[in-house]
Amino acid sequence: AQTVTQSQPEMSVQEAETVTLSCTYDTSESDYYLFWYKQPPSRQMILVIRQEAYKQQNATENRFSVNFQKAAKSFSLKISDSQLGDAAMYFCAYRSDSNYQLIWGAGTKLIIKP
Amino acid sequence: GAVVSQHPSWVICKSGTSVKIECRSLDFQATTMFWYRQFPKQSLMLMATSNEGSKATYEQGVEKDKFLINHASLTLSTLTVTSAHPEDSSFYICSASGQYVNSPLHFGNGTRLTVT
Repeated sequence: AQTVTQSQPEMSVQEAETVTLSCTYDTSESDYYLFWYKQPPSRQMILVIRQEAYKQQNATENRFSVNFQKAAKSFSLKISDSQLGDAAMYFCAYRSDSNYQLIWGAGTKLIIKP
Repeated sequence: GAVVSQHPSWVICKSGTSVKIECRSLDFQATTMFWYRQFPKQSLMLMATSNEGSKATYEQGVEKDKFLINHASLTLSTLTVTSAHPEDSSFYICSASGQYVNSPLHFGNGTRLTVT
């Protein structure tokens, strides 16, 4: 069975600086998708970034980028120029190529210091 | 972008009553919908997966007679918490997926249920 591990329960960063959130996963499949979701205090789940396992190039979305290491089964999220609005819970998630279900990590609470 | 509407956003009910939560896909056909429960400061816990026109598949430990899920159309799934008790108080979130397995998942805004 697939698992997703986020080893950092909480991270803090100074506003305008860069922070990296860690995520590792375990799977025997070769085709899958990885996601980072943000959940602010409003509890709305917001997709931050998505990575297809067959793509070698790391996904980027403005200030958000990932470091996808397929062999190491690592999928970290880098947030550059952190803003106060980035404060939220961040969840890493895995989705098989053959199954709609998302496997979730435990989450990392990101605190932005003004 | 695709929108999933979840209603109500919050509800307070008395112990022993039933509560229905609706999840609607507004601009796409949701072949599959997922219902999650989230405890404070925890991750999402999958309760069940529903496919349009068929019975929901419940995760281990989730009482199917207590949490009734109906996915009668490609745009609507409902979760009914029957004979609610205070321990059912929680945050419930639905998500919906399109026809293909690589279709993105879209989330509702969630429902805060409080049982008194």
